[in-house]
Order: sequence, then structure tokens, then C-alpha cells
Amino acid sequence: NAGVMQNPRHLVRRRGQEARLRCSPMKGHSHVYWYRQLPEEGLKFMVYLQKENIIDESGMPKERFSAEFPKEGPSILRIQQVVRGDSAAYFCASSSSNRPRETQYFGPGTRLLVL
Amino acid sequence: SQQGEEDPQALSIQEGENATMNCSYKTSINNLQWYRQNSGRGLVHLILIRSNEREKHSGRLRVTLDTSKKSSSLLITASRAADTASYFCATVDQGAQKLVFGQGTRLTINP
Repeated sequence: NAGVMQNPRHLVRRRGQEARLRCSPMKGHSHVYWYRQLPEEGLKFMVYLQKENIIDESGMPKERFSAEFPKEGPSILRIQQVVRGDSAAYFCASSSSNRPRETQYFGPGTRLLVL
Repeated sequence: SQQGEEDPQALSIQEGENATMNCSYKTSINNLQWYRQNSGRGLVHLILIRSNEREKHSGRLRVTLDTSKKSSSLLITASRAADTASYFCATVDQGAQKLVFGQGTRLTINP
């Protein structure tokens, strides 16, 4: 059983470029969450999606950030016109459709560095 | 918003000793979870305790939950060097599904 997969593991972008982070949930999971972790801090919730629906985006910055989870394919977190403050580790997690409040399984993260 | 507050922020003990970490929160929760993160890696789920539970065990881990004090503790017994990591508590509020994480406790086990 493959766990949650994220790619790329490391991403370097220059200011003003776009960053696309991908997440494939565990098999059978249709709930996906994105979290951001700044150095030496805990994770902060960004967005919660189900297939083709954004359920909770209360943690998403109002501008430049968007997320999707299409019917087919991975979930995508997109950051447009990146700035140095976007440098962080971005983690994706998934949970079972039947028990969404239970354990979330985390991917290895994508470490974004903005030069 | 961040609500879980771990205490202490950093803990260093000798191998074989027990390690205790505490977590406080502010809201009405559905459950509280503990995760481990090794340096530069993803998070590993350790244990989940529901709001109607008071204590839970898993191997060398013991978690307690006091909803009247809005606090939880994680005890790791007979610590090993491999337990060196950051430990985070995270809560799921009633009616919500996202995890709200604390700042974490950095645990170092000295051989």
C-alpha cells in the first residue's frame, strides 16, 4: 500500500515564478488536506478538499494561492508569483472517506525555496 | 489559528529515562492526536484520543486527556535514541475536520 505521495520533494523558484505542488492521497482516501510549516514551527492548516470540491479554505492566503482536487489525478497546490516568504515545507495529508476526523496520513512534504 | 501549546519547547534526557510532554488547547474538541516528526521529514501519526476518553496506550506511549483542563500529556517510557524527534499535538474541533497543531516539543535522547 503506497502512502501519501508528494512531488516534487524539493522545489526552487525565483521570485515571481509559479510553484505547483502535487499530492496523491492514499488509496481509497478522498479527503485531502494541505498544511504549511515554517522553520521551527508547527504545521498550519491551509485547505481541505474532497474530490472536485473545496470544503474549507480558511487557512489559504487570499491572493496567489489556489488548490484543486480533480476527479482524476492528484491534488494540486498552486502558488503564483512566489515571494521569499512562501519558502516553507508544504505537507499534504489524506484521510478515509468514512472517518474524516480520524487519523490523517501525511506525505513527506515539498520543501519550497524561493530565491 | 494556533491553539495547541506544547510544554516544554525542548527536552533533553538520557536514554532509558521517561519523557513527558504536555499540550494545552482552547476549544471543544472531537479528538486530540500526537504526531512525531524527524528532522526534515514528514509527520508520523502516533496516537489518537477521543474527547470521551481519558487515557490510551500504544506500546511505550501513554496519552492522557483532561477535557476539564483542556490539556493532554504524552509519556514515552524507556526512551531510545531513535525517539529523538519533534512531537506535535493536534486537535480536531467539534464539527471540524482540520488539524490544529501546536508548536511542538523537540525531544533529544542522549545515549
